[in-house]
Parts: sequence; C-alpha cells; structure tokens
Amino acid sequence: DTEVTQTPKHLVMGMTNKKSLKCEQHMGHRAMYWYKQKAKKPPELMFVYSYEKLSINESVPSRFSPECPNSSLLNLHLHALQPEDSALYLCASSDRTGDNQPQHFGDGTRLSIL
Amino acid sequence: QKEVEQNSGPLSVPEGAIASLNCTYSDRGSQSFFWYRQYSGKSPELIMSIYSNGDKEDGRFTAQLNKASQYVSLLIRDSQPSDSATYLCAAYTGANSKLTFGKGITLSVRP
Repeated sequence: DTEVTQTPKHLVMGMTNKKSLKCEQHMGHRAMYWYKQKAKKPPELMFVYSYEKLSINESVPSRFSPECPNSSLLNLHLHALQPEDSALYLCASSDRTGDNQPQHFGDGTRLSIL
Repeated sequence: QKEVEQNSGPLSVPEGAIASLNCTYSDRGSQSFFWYRQYSGKSPELIMSIYSNGDKEDGRFTAQLNKASQYVSLLIRDSQPSDSATYLCAAYTGANSKLTFGKGITLSVRP
C-alpha cells in the first residue's frame, strides 16, 4: 500500500466519454505530478502542480485537463481520448518541487480506451 | 536533451549473488539521484536516494554516486527471487528540475 491513493484502479472508456482520475495524498506534500507510462517504457511527465498551481505542462493535448482543488487532491479530467492514450496513469507527490525531493508514486490507474 | 541512460538488459543473476545495476547521466548540474523498483503491472517504488559522492547503504541495497564520472549504480547483495523487477534510475535534470528516468533494466533472480 502507498501513501498516495489513486482511483479508480482500472478504467475502460470509449472515445466520446468524459471521465476523471483522482489522486489523494496525506503526507503534507506541496507538489503533485501526473505521469503517463506505456508498457516497458519509463514514466513520462505530464503535469506538475506546486502549491496548488500548475507549474509545468509538458505540451500535453487538451483532451487531458488537470485540476488541483487543494493541496491533498489532484484530478485528471479526460475527454475525447484516443486509443493511443491507453496507458498506466501515475500520480506522484513530493514535499515540494525542485532538486533533492524524492517523488512517491500511487498505485496508478490503468486506462483502456476502446 | 538531458538524458539518463541504463544498460538495456535484461540482467539475470543466481539467488544469493550480487546484482549490479548501472546508470549514467548527461546533465552535470544534476544533484539528486533515485532508484525505483517496479514490479510488473505495478507502480514505481522508491528504494534509494543519493545526493553525495560515495556509497549509501540501506539493508541489502547500496547506491553509489560518482559525480565526476556522471555515474550512479545500485548494488543488491544476497539477491532474492523477490528482487526480480524492473529498476529505474532517475535524476533531476534541466532548468525546470524535471525528474528524468532511464529506460529501466529488468532484473531476474534465478532460484
């Protein structure tokens, strides 16, 4: 079990659906991250939130929309996804952004787009 | 582009042996290095952090850092079948301090 909780664990959706991935941490961390990981590849950074503000967007398509309602919660809203978006979506948190901060990952949401 | 590189593997060792996993990085400004273990179908789990030149030991794991050679390694002593996983090396790189991952190396420990 990890201290970063992601829901749901699995999600299957059609290309016209709208769904949201949720992430919660209670470690008092002020930085939260979304990563995408394809099979046999390393995680790829999507978004970084620092003190509830978006600080990095890695040129992610607009069909992915992040939201940070408070310092403990991070959402990823999904709309009109493509089959190539099927992947493991990982949330991570760290004490703050910047060097020397280890990131702790949640268990991930495995997303399949039909 | 700032890179973190790992041997492609896979690496296979017998139970009880020492597994040696290596990683190099291109950004001389990187100061923080991490090893993550990822079991198949699971998320990455942080197992070691290292920030200073030299060795850092935690149980059966030893991380080694040589900033002059831009080299990080992870030694796993007394390898167990439960150590069989993909090991990801990561470093903060670039002006934005992104955590950059290597491609990972898959370790198999033979009983």
